[in-house]
Amino acid sequence: QQKVQQSPESLIVPEGGMASLNCTSSDRNVDYFWWYRQHSGKSPKMLMSIFSNGEKEEGRFTVHLNKASLHTSLHIRDSQPSDSALYLCAASANYGNEKITFGAGTKLTIKP
Amino acid sequence: ETAVFQTPNYHVTQVGNEVSFNCKQTLGHDTMYWYKQDSKKLLKIMFSYNNKQLIVNETVPRRFSPQSSDKAHLNLRIKSVEPEDSAVYLCASSYSGQLYFGEGSKLTVL
Repeated sequence: QQKVQQSPESLIVPEGGMASLNCTSSDRNVDYFWWYRQHSGKSPKMLMSIFSNGEKEEGRFTVHLNKASLHTSLHIRDSQPSDSALYLCAASANYGNEKITFGAGTKLTIKP
Repeated sequence: ETAVFQTPNYHVTQVGNEVSFNCKQTLGHDTMYWYKQDSKKLLKIMFSYNNKQLIVNETVPRRFSPQSSDKAHLNLRIKSVEPEDSAVYLCASSYSGQLYFGEGSKLTVL
C-alpha cells in the first residue's frame, strides 16, 4: 500500500489556468515533503520543498502544508504548456539520509 | 547540468543474464540511492548508501546487489534478470534531503 497518496491521477488544465495537485502521507512519522517534476523521457527534478506548516511561494508555484493532516498541495498559476509533466510528491521521516518515499504522481497536461 | 552520471543508458538482455549499472556523482554528496521506476512511473527506493555504508535496503529480490567503492560511486548488479525487472533504474545523490537524479538506465528483459 502506497504510504504517499496523490490525487488526482491525471489533470488537464487550459493554458493560463490554475492547476492544483494534492498529496497525503499515511505515515505519521513523516516530517518533510518535496515536489518533483518529471518531463517525459527525463529524470525527476525537485521543484519545491516544504517542511513547516503554511505556505511557500516561488514564482508561479505555491505549496501548502498541513502537518496535522500530513497533507500538502501544489498550485501552479498561469499554467504553461511547458508545465505538462508528471508531478511526484515525496515524503521523509528524517531530513537527509533516510528513506524518501514517492507517491504515484499526477500527470498534468496543459492544453494550449 | 548533469552531475549524476549513469551507464549504460539502455540495456536489452534476455531472461537469466547478468547486468550491471554504474553510477557516479560529482556533487560531493555523502548519500546515494538506487530507485526503480516501473512502466506506470511508480518510483520505488531500492537501496541507499551513506559514505559507502548501506543504510536502506528495501525488500528487493536477492538477485539485486548494490556495491559502493567510495561515496561518489554506487553500482547495481542484477545476477539473473527476470521479465519483471524491466524498468528504468534511477541513481540519485542527496544533499539536505533534495535528491539529484541521473538520467536513468532503461532495462528491457526479453
